[in-house]
Amino acid sequence: AQSVTQPDIHITVSEGASLELRCNYSYGATPYLFWYVQSPGQGLQLLLKYFSGDTLVQGIKGFEAEFKRSQSSFNLRKPSVHWSDAAEYFCAVGDPLFNQGGKLIFGQGTELSVKP
Amino acid sequence: DAGVIQSPRHEVTEMGQEVTLRCKPISGHDYLFWYRQTMMRGLELLIYFNNNVPIDDSGMPEDRFSAKMPNASFSTLKIQPSEPRDSAVYFCASSPSYTEAFFGQGTRLTVV
Repeated sequence: AQSVTQPDIHITVSEGASLELRCNYSYGATPYLFWYVQSPGQGLQLLLKYFSGDTLVQGIKGFEAEFKRSQSSFNLRKPSVHWSDAAEYFCAVGDPLFNQGGKLIFGQGTELSVKP
Repeated sequence: DAGVIQSPRHEVTEMGQEVTLRCKPISGHDYLFWYRQTMMRGLELLIYFNNNVPIDDSGMPEDRFSAKMPNASFSTLKIQPSEPRDSAVYFCASSPSYTEAFFGQGTRLTVV
């Protein structure tokens, strides 16, 4: 079955420290890959996406993610975390057979807390 | 563009009542999606439309749920009758072809 796993339910990092959020997927082929961020009471904002091409993807707010086919992973990274990055982060996969990127399977999310 | 607009932002209703959630997609987007977010099940796709036509409603949990898209600028998700277990945040999203979806702010539904 198709699935997305975010192994870490909650992560706490100090402001200025680096961050890596893990995402693994189970899919028949290489899917479309996304990271979304959700602040409390807000909707989902796209951080970055991978459809094809360069496996290192740059996103907004200084985030990047690397697609590793051999590991079925799409981990999210940021070199220096800011207090405003505290939020919940969702990894999601979409099926390339559909010509759109909205039919998604989401991971359970990772809640990020930032210590001053 | 103002983005995907959902109304109301919050809805509190009594069990057994009909609830209607509304969504205005981004102009020009030909796909519209309804998602539900709960603590237990996370984010799950309920139904999606392409050019106002429902394509996949396999995520709709029960016959009490129905969704319509009468035109390209409006969609509704209706629950009749509502039950406490329907309490959740409901998101609408829209997308053009071949790219990512844009999500609304969500409607937080509480059924008491």
